[in-house]
Amino acid sequence: GAVVSQHPSRVICKSGTSVKIECRSLDFQATTMFWYRQFPKKSLMLMATSNEGSKATYEQGVEKDKFLINHASLTLSTLTVTSAHPEDSSFYICSALAEGFYSNQPQHFGDGTRLSIL
Amino acid sequence: SQKIEQNSEALNIQEGKTATLTCNYTNYSPAYLQWYRQDPGRGPVFLLLIRENEKEKRKERLKVTFDTTLKQSLFHITASQPADSATYLCAINTGGFKTIFGAGTRLFVKA
Repeated sequence: GAVVSQHPSRVICKSGTSVKIECRSLDFQATTMFWYRQFPKKSLMLMATSNEGSKATYEQGVEKDKFLINHASLTLSTLTVTSAHPEDSSFYICSALAEGFYSNQPQHFGDGTRLSIL
Repeated sequence: SQKIEQNSEALNIQEGKTATLTCNYTNYSPAYLQWYRQDPGRGPVFLLLIRENEKEKRKERLKVTFDTTLKQSLFHITASQPADSATYLCAINTGGFKTIFGAGTRLFVKA
């Protein structure tokens, strides 16, 4: 149980393109989802916390107009990288917490999206 | 600021030996600590959670200790196997929903 599907797994596109990444909880309802960015050999960097039906909470230094997050249902959150540039190239990972969150619950991660901007 | 430190150098051990990974944290007193496994190009997978009032937690060949005085957790894999080769991430809850992760330690188990 507790499977999170992230799509696409890899994207290569030209500079200036907007890219949408989907994160779905397949067998549970996720009231809260997180979006992370990870550089090689570095820790996961939290970008934003997404709650179903409300605006995402962005971490300091993350541009909300650049990284648009939508959590329209209890099983789907999307991250759109708008007008992507080479410096946005990275590994983006989502995670989800099941409904009825309690503070010591582990996160369930998707398999990440490798974004490469040419 | 809150910080988690894991040994950035890879750990190489022989199959059958016990692997011990270290996680140190500063400037925080987490109520619990988690360990995850991450394979290349994949998302992390949850392994174990230990609470501040627990000294030790076990699951099959895995053991985690949590010393809140030293602000340290140790993660042990006994009878290690080549399939255990991966990066292991330590994570602490920093209040509410938020969790911060260490950079991980890469483990290589040689057959």
